[in-house]
Amino acid sequence: QKEVEQDPGPLSVPEGAIVSLNCTYSNSAFQYFMWYRQYSRKGPELLMYTYSSGNKEDGRFTAQVDKSSKYISLFIRDSQPSDSATYLCAMSQSILTGGGNKLTFGTGTQLKVEL
Amino acid sequence: ETGVTQSPTHLIKTRGQQVTLRCSSQSGHNTVSWYQQALGQGPQFIFQYYREEENGRGNFPPRFSGLQFPNYSSELNVNALELDDSALYLCASSLGSTFSAKNIQYFGAGTRLSVL
Repeated sequence: QKEVEQDPGPLSVPEGAIVSLNCTYSNSAFQYFMWYRQYSRKGPELLMYTYSSGNKEDGRFTAQVDKSSKYISLFIRDSQPSDSATYLCAMSQSILTGGGNKLTFGTGTQLKVEL
Repeated sequence: ETGVTQSPTHLIKTRGQQVTLRCSSQSGHNTVSWYQQALGQGPQFIFQYYREEENGRGNFPPRFSGLQFPNYSSELNVNALELDDSALYLCASSLGSTFSAKNIQYFGAGTRLSVL
């Protein structure tokens, strides 16, 4: 079983839709949770990060972490064609549990926002 | 742009050969991490270097090795290439070696390696 599971999609939505992207994980030591966006032929770009459980909002993006369920989500409101990309969840342990700065990624979900 | 550059962009090698991939980090970033991203998969951690010393390694064999130089450049070397080594290789630089708001990893665009 992979430490981080993510539905690979592809996910196709109309412009203006609310998009929900999710990951589950099995390692209780994960403390930091990130969402990266990767356009074709580019490296991953950090969108948001959160520490432990809770919500964080940044413009059209909201990240949620539920540590009790080992489940994280990214919501995109008013989706735009420019949001079409692969979205990767990533997680890191704290230094106290030997995490360093190693990121463990999900498979990535391919999103297409149609006009 | 992230300020992290990788070269070359694409590379074709044959099985059994050796390859060196290069990365130039953001100035001041003491940490570089390397990841392998197979087609349709998320990046997998290979290893991390902090101030020119290896500071953590993923589940990759010793034929994957690295170097980090004082001028914020680094290398990933792969010996005895296998077909399964075909992937996008990403380097990421950060200020420090532990996760925090200050130590965000900034990724380069990657080197796409094809092994025939």
